[in-house]
Amino acid sequence: GAGVSQSPSNKVTEKGKDVELRCDPISGHTALYWYRQSLGQGLEFLIYFQGNSAPDKSGLPSDRFSAERTGGSVSTLTIQRTQQEDSAVYLCASSLSPSGGIYNEQFFGPGTRLTVL
Amino acid sequence: QKEVEQDPGPLSVPEGAIVSLNCTYSNSAFQYFMWYRQYSRKGPELLMYTYSSGNKEDGRFTAQVDKSSKYISLFIRDSQPSDSATYLCAMSFTGGSYIPTFGRGTSLIVHP
Repeated sequence: GAGVSQSPSNKVTEKGKDVELRCDPISGHTALYWYRQSLGQGLEFLIYFQGNSAPDKSGLPSDRFSAERTGGSVSTLTIQRTQQEDSAVYLCASSLSPSGGIYNEQFFGPGTRLTVL
Repeated sequence: QKEVEQDPGPLSVPEGAIVSLNCTYSNSAFQYFMWYRQYSRKGPELLMYTYSSGNKEDGRFTAQVDKSSKYISLFIRDSQPSDSATYLCAMSFTGGSYIPTFGRGTSLIVHP
């Protein structure tokens, strides 16, 4: 595909259940980012991947959140034992590798809207 | 105090008006300044970015950065109903992963 895709587009789950959110970045983009956007809030950074490694996971709010990336492509964000405060839109973005003092545009997917009942 | 402050609005203007959207920030080390547009239920898309201070123009859009005041602006001329969206400012440091710090976004409504 031409852009970043995310699945599912919507997810409704019960408190305490685990969820997996998937991101397919643009082909050739080695950098991948996960963000969370709560109602009326800006984008909150969660984790950054360069290839398959995560040099910055400082934004993960708790140890219930984890993410992995395989083959330098698809990434999965997992939330264990979901809580109501986890309800938000989870956005994924990808870019060319940041380097050389040049800003590389981040391209965002449409997001996964997570509702925890 | 948040690193990046942005009035959430909503800002409602008539078609054809000049729109001014603004953000203030506290970290003087920011060097890249960006404006993203986000339509409802879509991901943000980059509108413009500037490096350091100055102005940048692209069609009906002009971005301004005043580093001495830690203040950035986005102007939209001849606004159209299709400009109705949330506009997020963002800024980042040079080097490293360029992870931007985002404002809350300003909701803009342009009515015919």
